[in-house]
Amino acid sequence: SAVISQKPSRDICQRGTSLTIQCQVDSQVTMMFWYRQQPGQSLTLIATANQGSEATYESGFVIDKFPISRPNLTFSTLTVSNMSPEDSSIYLCSVVGRGQKRVNTEAFFGQGTRLTVV
Amino acid sequence: GDSVTQMEGPVTLSEEAFLTINCTYTATGYPSLFWYVQYPGEGLQLLLKATKADDKGSNKGFEATYRKETTSFHLEKGSVQVSDSAVYFCALSDRGGATNKLIFGTGTLLAVQP
Repeated sequence: SAVISQKPSRDICQRGTSLTIQCQVDSQVTMMFWYRQQPGQSLTLIATANQGSEATYESGFVIDKFPISRPNLTFSTLTVSNMSPEDSSIYLCSVVGRGQKRVNTEAFFGQGTRLTVV
Repeated sequence: GDSVTQMEGPVTLSEEAFLTINCTYTATGYPSLFWYVQYPGEGLQLLLKATKADDKGSNKGFEATYRKETTSFHLEKGSVQVSDSAVYFCALSDRGGATNKLIFGTGTLLAVQP
């Protein structure tokens, strides 16, 4: 299993500002993802954080709005830039490890960051 | 693209009642299927999974069978407890047999009353 530490756990931000969310994993993992969970809705994948290269973004999400860094196999950050009230959501970090047979195993999730933009 | 359709909630049951939460999927390949649970104030946890047709995932009294013919993965439990109150998410992976990025259903809130 993997233990994920995500911070901050919650924040209230002014519109137009930016917030950087950190995700730290207790072991080296192959794949890291960032999801968004808007109020009353399901989880939507924002991007795959790639170690040493640019993140891979899903349709509807762009690097200028959600820059992502992944400097090593245990750490990633997501920045929500130039925030508006529509960005109020829970943001979750997720990781996938490696099984003994080099097959990806289950996905683990951080506790999430509850962001409110006012 | 791939998608998951999940029974809307909230579902309110009395303790010891039988639970079914319906989940159907659309996928071009052969996805793995999952049920995740989110207890109040906590993060998502994997409840059970199935990686190929006719597989049955089970955990904590919950079961779900991967039905390729009906493209379904319904969650069932014979006797729910108050502690089962949570939001349940059905999900599929975009690559059969491995867990990569996940596509989630909308989530179903289950409230179990004593």
